[in-house]
Amino acid sequence: ELKVEQNPLFLSMQEGKNYTIYCNYSTTSDRLYWYRQDPGKSLESLFVLLSNGAVKQEGRLMASLDTKARLSTLHITAAVHDLSATYFCAAEEGAQKLVFGQGTRLTINP
Amino acid sequence: GAGVSQSPSNKVTEKGKDVELRCDPISGHTALYWYRQSLGQGLEFLIYFQGNSAPDKSGLPSDRFSAERTGGSVSTLTIQRTQQEDSAVYLCASSLHRQELSPLHFGNGTRLTVT
Repeated sequence: ELKVEQNPLFLSMQEGKNYTIYCNYSTTSDRLYWYRQDPGKSLESLFVLLSNGAVKQEGRLMASLDTKARLSTLHITAAVHDLSATYFCAAEEGAQKLVFGQGTRLTINP
Repeated sequence: GAGVSQSPSNKVTEKGKDVELRCDPISGHTALYWYRQSLGQGLEFLIYFQGNSAPDKSGLPSDRFSAERTGGSVSTLTIQRTQQEDSAVYLCASSLHRQELSPLHFGNGTRLTVT
């Protein structure tokens, strides 16, 4: 059974700082996804990572995947308040069934 | 509309009543999923439909939960004899077939409160 764990679960940081969210998964998975959720809203897709060594960047967010270590990271560069949200990673089990991590609640303070 | 549509957006029901939650996926998306999100928690997989294949029901928490997908499009999640622990946000998502790189597109969810 695939398990996905994120850390930290809560993260409070100052604007302008850099930080990384970690996502570990327990068994082989073909794909790794990152989603963002704002309070009271649904999930928005950020990245889909397909292969070992994959790196994708969008603005201040960069995601990477190491399939050998079963680890994905979401790196935030020079954080701004608008990035405050809950971030979820999800790994694929079987035919496109996604198993989600617990989520990381990110708060960015001015 | 262009996105996944769910209705109702909010549902308050008494313990023991049955409820039906509806999901209209994005047109052309062959895969449809139901997830449940309890307050402050992650997403719990419930059920997955792919085309005409038999659905993956492995996440349904009890036999009080069932789901249908008619004509490969609209889906209904039914919860019978609701219990307080069923209170959660029920999220529906759809995507293109696996071979086409496609993340899940989520609806805004139905917030279910069982009193």
